[in-house]
Amino acid sequence: QKEVEQNSGPLSVPEGAIASLNCTYSDRGSQSFFWYRQYSGKSPELIMSIYSNGDKEDGRFTAQLNKASQYVSLLIRDSQPSDSATYLCAVNSNQFYFGTGTSLTVIP
Amino acid sequence: GAVVSQHPSRVICKSGTSVKIECRSLDFQATTMFWYRQFPKQSLMLMATSNEGSKATYEQGVEKDKFLINHASLTLSTLTVTSAHPEDSSFYICSARDGRSEAQYFGPGTRLLVL
Repeated sequence: QKEVEQNSGPLSVPEGAIASLNCTYSDRGSQSFFWYRQYSGKSPELIMSIYSNGDKEDGRFTAQLNKASQYVSLLIRDSQPSDSATYLCAVNSNQFYFGTGTSLTVIP
Repeated sequence: GAVVSQHPSRVICKSGTSVKIECRSLDFQATTMFWYRQFPKQSLMLMATSNEGSKATYEQGVEKDKFLINHASLTLSTLTVTSAHPEDSSFYICSARDGRSEAQYFGPGTRLLVL
């Protein structure tokens, strides 16, 4: 079992819709969780971090963490074509683990 | 926000030469830095973890004598690809861990092409 699992997609949503990206992790002792966005040909960029159960909102982005279910998600409201990218989930337990990423395409 | 720089952004070299890539954390001290490689349309692959003042820890399958890592200060780590060959052509990305937030911040990457 991988430490961090994501659906590789591709996920396509129409412009203005909500994009929902999901991630599960295996280490119940994990303490910090991150979402990165990577545009094609560029390096990853940190967009959200979350450390406690519940929701954390930053602009159009909401990260949701459920430690009991070992599940972390990212919601993107009012999706824009510029949100089209690969989204990487990362979990920090004893080591830092990345998922393989979910490719998101926002269709104008 | 935390900024990590990487230099050079792009390098083309002949087979057999060595290439040095620098990674700097500009506004925070990074006790731990990471080096990744990414081939087109593939996931990030961790090559090594570098701790300031100590030897790097290499992932399985990564040749430590070929990919030399030096982390001499809390803001600088270097990766040297020795005797580069065409199969070493890739996108090399460093990251630095911010001890306060535990997040990794990535440099912009170095695109290496070995002819």
